[in-house]
Amino acid sequence: DTGVSQDPRHKITKRGQNVTFRCDPISEHNRLYWYRQTLGQGPEFLTYFQNEAQLEKSRLLSDRFSAERPKGSFSTLEIQRTEQGDSAMYLCASSSQQGRAGANVLTFGAGSRLTVL
Amino acid sequence: QKEVEQNSGPLSVPEGAIASLNCTYSDRVSQSFFWYRQYSGKSPELIMSIYSNGDKEDGRFTAQLNKASQYVSLLIRDSQPSDSATYLCAVRGAQKLVFGQGTRLTINP
Repeated sequence: DTGVSQDPRHKITKRGQNVTFRCDPISEHNRLYWYRQTLGQGPEFLTYFQNEAQLEKSRLLSDRFSAERPKGSFSTLEIQRTEQGDSAMYLCASSSQQGRAGANVLTFGAGSRLTVL
Repeated sequence: QKEVEQNSGPLSVPEGAIASLNCTYSDRVSQSFFWYRQYSGKSPELIMSIYSNGDKEDGRFTAQLNKASQYVSLLIRDSQPSDSATYLCAVRGAQKLVFGQGTRLTINP
């Protein structure tokens, strides 16, 4: 297993188009997270899955955003009717429950950079 | 008030000196604390995790946690130019990891 994989690495699209990102987590990890990061800011939480269940969604995740993890393995993040403000790096991370007090260590993928023209 | 706050920097430190990075958090029930390093254009990578009050050392890195003051810090000894990066403080809430905005660190040769 080579870590968390994300595809595509870069996506340029026109405003109003739909885009979909895919994340393949580390195989033994049951938790998967999506974050968004803009220049000069830290990653902002978007949503989180434990196995196939989506357990938490941020207020940042408007109705144009949808995420799925249908079989508890890979996940997709779709953005409909993209806007220029959606331009960002979309980071996927995975973890397994380990350590003290339910502490989890997140391993990040390389990210998918979205540019909306 | 942001959940996790860091000075955005930039912080400039001469090579060989100690770099000190600070972070405060607002949720008193937080139990797990992390420092990630992020090179420009790359994704965050874990440097240190700390769960108990006090110091935790790993090579040139020392994480310090003070839950009463809601304060976490990272010390980098014998700073090297390769340590130049953005350092992200992260605090675990109920389920998710909340990040600060990051501190950009530059080590000057």
